[in-house]
Amino acid sequence: DTAVSQTPKYLVTQMGNDKSIKCEQNLGHDTMYWYKQDSKKFLKIMFSYNNKELIINETVPNRFSPKSPDKAHLNLHINSLELGDSAVYFCASSSRTGSSYNSPLHFGNGTRLTVT
Amino acid sequence: AQSVAQPEDQVNVAEGNPLTVKCTYSVSGNPYLFWYVQYPNRGLQFLLKYITGDNLVKGSYGFEAEFNKSQTSFHLKKPSALVSDSALYFCAVRDRGDSSYKLIFGSGTRLLVRP
Repeated sequence: DTAVSQTPKYLVTQMGNDKSIKCEQNLGHDTMYWYKQDSKKFLKIMFSYNNKELIINETVPNRFSPKSPDKAHLNLHINSLELGDSAVYFCASSSRTGSSYNSPLHFGNGTRLTVT
Repeated sequence: AQSVAQPEDQVNVAEGNPLTVKCTYSVSGNPYLFWYVQYPNRGLQFLLKYITGDNLVKGSYGFEAEFNKSQTSFHLKKPSALVSDSALYFCAVRDRGDSSYKLIFGSGTRLLVRP
């Protein structure tokens, strides 16, 4: 059973297009995240949702819009894709409740986005 | 604001030898510290964490890390490296006083264990 699953695994598209990446977790966690990993493997947090409420919104172009329909899902929509958006995008989840407030993040296997 | 430094882009070690991957951190309050490992084309996997208590933390696959508050370090160690330990290792920090629970990652260190 995959704990955090992302689709698609690979996404190749042209500049200017709009695309979405989906993420689902079956761990019962209340917090989900999007991270971007660039070509140098540097990981940068983009967004975080807790119980469907946006709690982290880093300096990310407003072409990126996260949506959390429920606690188990966090999707990422990207408008007007640019070459610099090419990266691997990781979804992650964790629990913030009770004694789990210091719980580690569980990551999906990533979506490799290539913009041509 | 919190930050993490991993000063080595790559660490090379022979199989059977001890390994150390270095990490230093900066937070305004007290830290929660984590190590993750990333294998090719995979997401990050949790190895171990320091929350409070003993400065030496033991984790998965025989790894351990030592929290040193005075040096603001959290180096990852293993007494005897395996070829299968070759991967990308990330140190991460969360400030206990940060209500957003933001987890900040270092730049990663590639560990190469040669047979």
